[in-house]
Amino acid sequence: QQQVKQSPQSLIVQKGGISIINCAYENTAFDYFPWYQQFPGKGPALLIAIRPDVSEKKEGRFTISFNKSAKQFSLHIMDSQPGDSATYFCAASPAFSGNTPLVFGKGTRLSVIA
Amino acid sequence: DGGITQSPKYLFRKEGQNVTLSCEQNLNHDAMYWYRQDPGQGLRLIYYSQIVNDFQKGDIAEGYSVSREKKESFPLTVTSAQKNPTAFYLCASKSTLNTEAFFGQGTRLTVV
Repeated sequence: QQQVKQSPQSLIVQKGGISIINCAYENTAFDYFPWYQQFPGKGPALLIAIRPDVSEKKEGRFTISFNKSAKQFSLHIMDSQPGDSATYFCAASPAFSGNTPLVFGKGTRLSVIA
Repeated sequence: DGGITQSPKYLFRKEGQNVTLSCEQNLNHDAMYWYRQDPGQGLRLIYYSQIVNDFQKGDIAEGYSVSREKKESFPLTVTSAQKNPTAFYLCASKSTLNTEAFFGQGTRLTVV
């Protein structure tokens, strides 16, 4: 399967700051790009997702920016809080190919410090 | 209360032993997936099933086996052929009508 490359591997942000996590993909057939949030010992949960027909999607403090020509997308967490400390995974799949599995990045461990 | 249930939460296996991880969902989802999570490796696909009685290998299927006899259930067997089975195993499911995949709470397998 085509890779999804995620960076950085870990990130430390001050409370109130902006957390930015980046992902790049190769497969041009991908057209669904979710971000998952995982707390220690738990399963990942969908945080926010975007389709390529828009360049940005915002839900509360979380924003996805999407650059189709560069095949890159990023997650921005505004006003980062200690409760946001978790591992974040980007993923991608062809949305209209039925139940094709998501391809995940390797994850970013975010620590928000007071 | 709808969702995906994985059991057990923790599992210990002796070398050379086969063990089976359970995954049950009551979301009426057609597709189910097994992922393995290792530190710094992300989520790697082991097997997936898009319909009952059918399944496909993922990227790291060697040493694992699955069955899909019922829509609700997708158990994963870690065989003695899997040389490094210690990991966190995640089961997920998805509806054909929706892009969102839902995950269980995981099973942490340790070889002792």
